[in-house]
Amino acid sequence: GQNIDQPTEMTATEGAIVQINCTYQTSGFNGLFWYQQHAGEAPTFLSYNVLDGLEEKGRFSSFLSRSKGYSYLLLKELQMKDSASYLCAVLDSNYQLIWGAGTKLIIKP
Amino acid sequence: GAVVSQHPSWVICKSGTSVKIECRSLDFQATTMFWYRQFPKQSLMLMATSNEGSKATYEQGVEKDKFLINHASLTLSTLTVTSAHPEDSSFYICSARLLRSSESNEQFFGPGTRLTVL
Repeated sequence: GQNIDQPTEMTATEGAIVQINCTYQTSGFNGLFWYQQHAGEAPTFLSYNVLDGLEEKGRFSSFLSRSKGYSYLLLKELQMKDSASYLCAVLDSNYQLIWGAGTKLIIKP
Repeated sequence: GAVVSQHPSWVICKSGTSVKIECRSLDFQATTMFWYRQFPKQSLMLMATSNEGSKATYEQGVEKDKFLINHASLTLSTLTVTSAHPEDSSFYICSARLLRSSESNEQFFGPGTRLTVL
């Protein structure tokens, strides 16, 4: 079966750095997405990785290792507004998005 | 950027009535649209994949006669919840995909529709 694993909840301090991990087992791979979702709102796109390595975009970076079935989202200089759920999703061989359950990130002052 | 709208944003209805939710891609043509449902504190659950001009493909466990999907044009897909019941109360989100072979297979999400069935 297809499976995406990510921690249920993480807590970090404002101004710090946090890394949210995601491991996956899917039938085929056409890329991995990270989305941010605030409570009561739809997900918003953060990053897309299809090749191994690190993609940096401002305070957010995303890393992918296809051989290990592993990705992480790195958030730097955390702000209170970063409190949200972070969803990892993999595009499988049928171009279907397989979603993780999401990681709720709590930022404390 | 690519924008997807949904209407209505929220709806409250009586049990037994039908509710129609519209999903529109405003500045691009979407060959494929997706309908998701999300219950509180849970992740997105794909309900169906909708391709323009053809029947929707429903995920296992989703009743196609209850959740009617119509994708009549490249910019509009509708989801009708027929004979809604309180257990259908949820956050319904649509998304649209531009191209399958593009560099980024990003899905663009609508803002969601919160359905409450009394």
